[in-house]
Amino acid sequence: KAGVTQTPRYLIKTRGQQVTLSCSPISGHRSVSWYQQTPGQGLQFLFEYFSETQRNKGNFPGRFSGRQFSNSRSEMNVSTLELGDSALYLCASSLETGVNSPLHFGNGTRLTVT
Amino acid sequence: DAKTTQPPSMDCAEGRAANLPCNHSTISGNEYVYWYRQIHSQGPQYIIHGLKNNETNEMASLIITEDRKSSTLILPHATLRDTAVYYCIVSNTSGTYKYIFGTGTRLKVLA
Repeated sequence: KAGVTQTPRYLIKTRGQQVTLSCSPISGHRSVSWYQQTPGQGLQFLFEYFSETQRNKGNFPGRFSGRQFSNSRSEMNVSTLELGDSALYLCASSLETGVNSPLHFGNGTRLTVT
Repeated sequence: DAKTTQPPSMDCAEGRAANLPCNHSTISGNEYVYWYRQIHSQGPQYIIHGLKNNETNEMASLIITEDRKSSTLILPHATLRDTAVYYCIVSNTSGTYKYIFGTGTRLKVLA
């Protein structure tokens, strides 16, 4: 079974631009969540989607948004990029949403904002 | 949200068992303990999880104390490829299902 696929793998953007990252979950998984990882803050939860509905949201500004499609694929968007948005963005999928459903992560998109 | 405490780093000799401790003294009765690891430049990898009983799979064993306030991840025969950051986290049952990842334990397996 194929794992979680994130595209692109690397991205370089300029301050003020916007970016869209894509995530294809493991087949059959209906929950997708996104995380930001930086050396200073570690892994921080962004949001979780289940059946095209946002279930939970972390403590990030409104510039960070996401959506999930009917095939469970997900995208996240960051508008008006800031230098501090440079990070590894990780997507994870799970079979269900709930506390007994392990997350399976992709290898991330490394975003550099210049 | 239940928090976890892990030592920042540990070393282990190749071929020996690696025992990684985790404290989660505020865990609630229906919250699971999860372990993930992250090898440099890759996404975190799920290892194992449990509620109250000890668990074992092909990668590791999870020992949870009877009071559930702490746990230990055991890698029975550590290899150089087990060098990674290991995260112990507690699932969140407050209705906002999410994980809170701490800083983890950086395990270095030595040849």
